[in-house]
Amino acid sequence: DTGVSQDPRHKITKRGQNVTFRCDPISEHNRLYWYRQTLGQGPEFLTYFQNEAQLEKSRLLSDRFSAERPKGSFSTLEIQRTEQGDSAMYLCASSLGRPGLREDTQYFGPGTRLTVL
Amino acid sequence: KNEVEQSPQNLTAQEGEFITINCSYSVGISALHWLQQHPGGGIVSLFMLSSGKKKHGRLIATINIQEKHSSLHITASHPRDSAVYICAVKGKYGQNFVFGPGTRLSVLP
Repeated sequence: DTGVSQDPRHKITKRGQNVTFRCDPISEHNRLYWYRQTLGQGPEFLTYFQNEAQLEKSRLLSDRFSAERPKGSFSTLEIQRTEQGDSAMYLCASSLGRPGLREDTQYFGPGTRLTVL
Repeated sequence: KNEVEQSPQNLTAQEGEFITINCSYSVGISALHWLQQHPGGGIVSLFMLSSGKKKHGRLIATINIQEKHSSLHITASHPRDSAVYICAVKGKYGQNFVFGPGTRLSVLP
């Protein structure tokens, strides 16, 4: 257990439905990251937050995806109008994120596995 | 050409063997992360490197910034080391990590 939790662990939904995932990072961590991993591939960066500010978004993050971290603590990732291609493991990670910290180790949550039927 | 490549793709070793996994990348980076992923998906951070060498228990990680190459070594390998080992690099700007495809290691008793 790394201290990062994600909920739910598994989600099965029908195409066209909206889904929302939650990530609770380690409490003193300022940075929070979202990744997507499909079977047999390495994770792909989606977005990251420094406190409550969303500072980077990947081109992979289409308009159907939105992420928030309203109070700089937990974060949510919402996917609207899900498609079968959204089926993947969605991983959250957090890190200290202090200014000037070059080797900023990330701690990963267990992931949410999404299956879109 | 992928930005981050790993070799070998798959590796089978006997218990006790010395193992080396390689990572090469094509862009300038500020840091490199070695991660371990067990079946079932959990990812554990092993090392974060920006230069030189780090050691933790039976694991050693090295990085050569000029050659854009890093290696992960496992000494006295054990079946519990069986996992996928992933290399990820962070560019010089921002926090976007690019991940390699992973190396699947099986250590046989």
